[in-house]
Amino acid sequence: QVQLVQSGTGVKKPGASVKVSCKASGYTFTNYGISWVRQAHGQGLEWVAWVSTYNGNTNFAQRFKDRVTMTTDTSTSTAYMELKSLRSDDTAVYFCARDRGSSLFDLWGQGTQVTVSS
Amino acid sequence: SALTQPASVSGSPGQSITISCTGSSSDIGAFNYVSWYQQHPGKAPTLMIFEVSNRPSRVSDRFSGSKSGNTASLTISGLHTEDEADYYCSSYTSTGTYVIFGGGTKLTVL
Repeated sequence: QVQLVQSGTGVKKPGASVKVSCKASGYTFTNYGISWVRQAHGQGLEWVAWVSTYNGNTNFAQRFKDRVTMTTDTSTSTAYMELKSLRSDDTAVYFCARDRGSSLFDLWGQGTQVTVSS
Repeated sequence: SALTQPASVSGSPGQSITISCTGSSSDIGAFNYVSWYQQHPGKAPTLMIFEVSNRPSRVSDRFSGSKSGNTASLTISGLHTEDEADYYCSSYTSTGTYVIFGGGTKLTVL
């Protein structure tokens, strides 16, 4: 079955870090990149970053550039996004999506709720 | 900045509706890389249209996309109650952000 399965809910304190995983199955992991998109409660979608599963190249939305790290493990077909120095406005659902290029996200994970609260 | 969509649209079963998505000459106007996503409450988005007017094979032909200048449009014909959802447009952009989304449109099927 072609799918992306993400790690579970996380609750973090301001200033901490969170690492979200996204495990792919049913297709060749290294054939497509992975983008991360977040959605605050009741709000729209916001693109965060992209990683090439082939060579590890990355691209970030400017506002996340200094706080996001993305890695991949091709042996387990898993992508990871780590967001550091968390703030309350980072509270959102974070989705990973298979990225076929040029804003074409054809497969999405179920989403991971990240809550930042003291 | 985000692409501009109407906050809400509505229609009755069997009717047709169109959702607009307005950008600029740096995104929609410059590239044929507009996608549309459907999102039901509490669920992940799903791809409905890509590259302005192409449909994934699993998507009904009641969904169609088009573009004129800096504005893209999604048309849903023969509305079904299950079409009630939020719809988001997105576009590749040359501004360095890579991709931007619209603010989303809530479709109500009355």
